[in-house]
Amino acid sequence: ETGVTQTPRHLVMGMTNKKSLKCEQHLGHNAMYWYKQSAKKPLELMFVYSLEERVENNSVPSRFSPECPNSSHLFLHLHTLQPEDSALYLCASSQDIGGLAGGRGDTQYFGPGTRLTVL
Amino acid sequence: AQRVTQPEKLLSVFKGAPVELKCNYSYSGSPELFWYVQYSRQRLQLLLRHISRESIKGFTADLNKGETSFHLKKPFAQEEDSAMYYCAPRSDYKLSFGAGTTVTVRA
Repeated sequence: ETGVTQTPRHLVMGMTNKKSLKCEQHLGHNAMYWYKQSAKKPLELMFVYSLEERVENNSVPSRFSPECPNSSHLFLHLHTLQPEDSALYLCASSQDIGGLAGGRGDTQYFGPGTRLTVL
Repeated sequence: AQRVTQPEKLLSVFKGAPVELKCNYSYSGSPELFWYVQYSRQRLQLLLRHISRESIKGFTADLNKGETSFHLKKPFAQEEDSAMYYCAPRSDYKLSFGAGTTVTVRA
């Protein structure tokens, strides 16, 4: 499979469950991102990884725990979530995070998303 | 505070008519500006970026630093342009998205 893939595509979980979202990119990129898209809010950046190192945590609650074991895989571990955490979670990747002016290395490629429902 | 505003949630135009999607931003420094698009049942994807000054699928966007605007325009809309459009300023490596504008092009 090419591009950015995400599994599962849909997930329903209780507030006491522990689950993980998986993202995989087949583009040879060095940067990966997690975004959250809620029904009533714009797409929000959650985490940024560059060369497997986390460079940004956008004030995300600790019940969301990212993991980047290598440059092709990104996980989002979930535990004790709240119903308001129900949203579409998007993963993206780019060649690098900054990009030189005029360069295209920072173009982000998105996955299809995981629709999460917390009961 | 950094903010990006897309004032129109919905925009409906006839095929062949011009279409303009407004985007205003409030950022410190000089962010790079992007437009992303999501067609029905497809992923979010980059449409264009201001620094490349190119036209993609007939769309152009002019950065007006004085008005802090980055409006997206197309002189003759096509039915395949129906989609959700997001304005996205980038500061450092952080991309922020507007609320989006849903464009419907009617035959």
